[in-house]
Amino acid sequence: EVQLVESGGGLVQPGGSLRLSCAASGFTFSSYWMSWVRQAPGKGLEWVANIKQDGSEKYYVDSVKGRFTISRDNAKNSLYLQMNSLRAEDTAVYYCARDMRTKGAFDIWGQGTMVTVSS
Amino acid sequence: EIVLTQSPATLSLSPGERATLSCRASQSVSSYLAWYQQKPGQAPRLLIYDASNRATGIPARFSGSGSGTDFTLTISSLEPEDFAVYYCQQRTLFGGGTKVEIK
Repeated sequence: EVQLVESGGGLVQPGGSLRLSCAASGFTFSSYWMSWVRQAPGKGLEWVANIKQDGSEKYYVDSVKGRFTISRDNAKNSLYLQMNSLRAEDTAVYYCARDMRTKGAFDIWGQGTMVTVSS
Repeated sequence: EIVLTQSPATLSLSPGERATLSCRASQSVSSYLAWYQQKPGQAPRLLIYDASNRATGIPARFSGSGSGTDFTLTISSLEPEDFAVYYCQQRTLFGGGTKVEIK
């Protein structure tokens, strides 16, 4: 079964750090671009970052540039999001998603992990 | 910067009725347009990619059309499980969503 499972969310104070993980199974992880997409409580979807198959290209939404770092370990079939200098506006459910780069769509999504930034 | 505008924000319909959802781009996005369904507490599910191609396992009552700047998601006859929020997406941009609710 093709599956993505996120972990690492939780409550963190403003200015703090958190590292999210996404474990992939059921497909050749190293063959796909991967993305992180977030959703603030009661709001819509916002793409956060993506990474090429070999990690050589990474892109970020402007609001997280310089604070978040996306990475991957193809040997472990895992995707990561290191989040530093967290702000209240980063509070959201964070989803990892398989990026059908050639089709411009995200075809597989994890169940999400909640990140709450609050004092 | 491209903006995706979905309308209406809310669509109130009864089971069995036809739903027509719109997504308008501020500039041409060719046919790289996808649609997702999201139910409360669940992750989004891909319905349509490349404007008109159904994703794996998506029922035939869901169809997508359009190109350039105007796109439409049509649900031919609403089933009870179709009441949800629908998002359009182009590359790294998402529309604001349309909620399809039971009338």
